[in-house]
Parts: sequence; structure tokens; C-alpha cells
Amino acid sequence: DAGVTQSPTHLIKTRGQQVTLRCSPKSGHDTVSWYQQALGQGPQFIFQYYEEEERQRGNFPDRFSGHQFPNYSSELNVNALLLGDSALYLCASSLGEGTDEQFFGPGTRLTVL
Amino acid sequence: AQSVTQLDSQVPVFEEAPVELRCNYSSSVSVYLFWYVQYPNQGLQLLLKYLSGSTLVKGINGFEAEFNKSQTSFHLRKPSVHISDTAEYFCAVSDPDNYGQNFVFGPGTRLSVLP
Repeated sequence: DAGVTQSPTHLIKTRGQQVTLRCSPKSGHDTVSWYQQALGQGPQFIFQYYEEEERQRGNFPDRFSGHQFPNYSSELNVNALLLGDSALYLCASSLGEGTDEQFFGPGTRLTVL
Repeated sequence: AQSVTQLDSQVPVFEEAPVELRCNYSSSVSVYLFWYVQYPNQGLQLLLKYLSGSTLVKGINGFEAEFNKSQTSFHLRKPSVHISDTAEYFCAVSDPDNYGQNFVFGPGTRLSVLP
């Protein structure tokens, strides 16, 4: 049973560029959440997707957008990258609301130069 | 809005000694509580969770935590640590009555086990 997978593992971009990160949820899960983890900090909630719609959003600007596909996989897009966007981006999957447990992927390390 | 406090940013401890990592949360309503561990350059792995029932929760790798509603705390303990327990530990809370409410994480505690 595959867990949550994310790609790519690492990514280097320059300021102003756009980036797309991908996530495949754990088998049987239908909800995907994205988190940003800056160095030395806890994960911060970006948004959650369920049934291909954004269900809830954290305190992140519109430069951060996402998508969920019919197979429940998801993408996180960040436009007009800033140096401060450098972080580990974590994807978590759950079943339904997922308030009782989320399973995390290994993350994508984004470096913005 | 909920918040999670982990008062100790770093905890050094010698191998085979006991350890307690502290976690306090702000919500006065019903909550689910979690402890996750993150090894270097990896994602988060669930150690244990409290949803309801017994306030003493046992998790993987010999860890346990106790839910104290009156003190709004969920401290993590291990009676004897190993070098391999060196990692970052995150406490998190979610609201079971708030549809779509997501996890709120604390800032983390770095546990360093010394030989």
C-alpha cells in the first residue's frame, strides 16, 4: 500500500518564476492538504482540497493556488516566487474531513534564489 | 483560532534517560491531539493521537502522552531514550466539530539524544 508521494524531491527556482508541486494521496484517501514548513518552524496550513474543490484556506496569498484531479492527486502552484517562499512543502492526505488523522508525504524542498 | 505552544525549542538528554516534551494548546472546546516526529530531511510521521477515551495514549517507539483537559496540555514522554530518537517533534491539534478545520502545529521541539 503506497503512502503519500510527492514530486519533485528538490527544486531550485529564481525570484519571479512559477513552480508546480505534485502529490499523490495514500490509497483510499480522497482529501489532500498542503502545508509550508519554513526552516526551523512547524508546518503552516496552506489549503485543503476535497472533491476537486478548495475546501479551506490558510493565511496565504493568492499566488498560492492548487488543483485536485479526479484520481484525488493534487498540485500546488506558486506564482511570482519570492525568496521567502523557500521552504519544505508537505502534502498530507486523509479520508473525508481528516480531522482525526493525516498522513504526510516526504515533502518537496523548494529553494528560491 | 487555535494555537499550540511547545515551550522547549531544544531538549538535550543523555541516552537511556527519560524525557518529557511539553505541549499546550489554546482551545477550550473538544479537540483531537497529535504528536508527529520528523527525522532530518523527511516528512512527518505520526507517533500517537488522542481522539477520546483514556487520557493516557501509547504510541510507537515507546512514546506515550497524557491528555490533561484542565491544563490544556498533551505532554509527550518516553522512559528511556535512544540515539535514534534524535529528531524534531511536533504537537498538533484539530477541531473535530469544525468541518474542514485543519491541523494547527506547534513550532516543534528538537530532541537531541547524547551518548
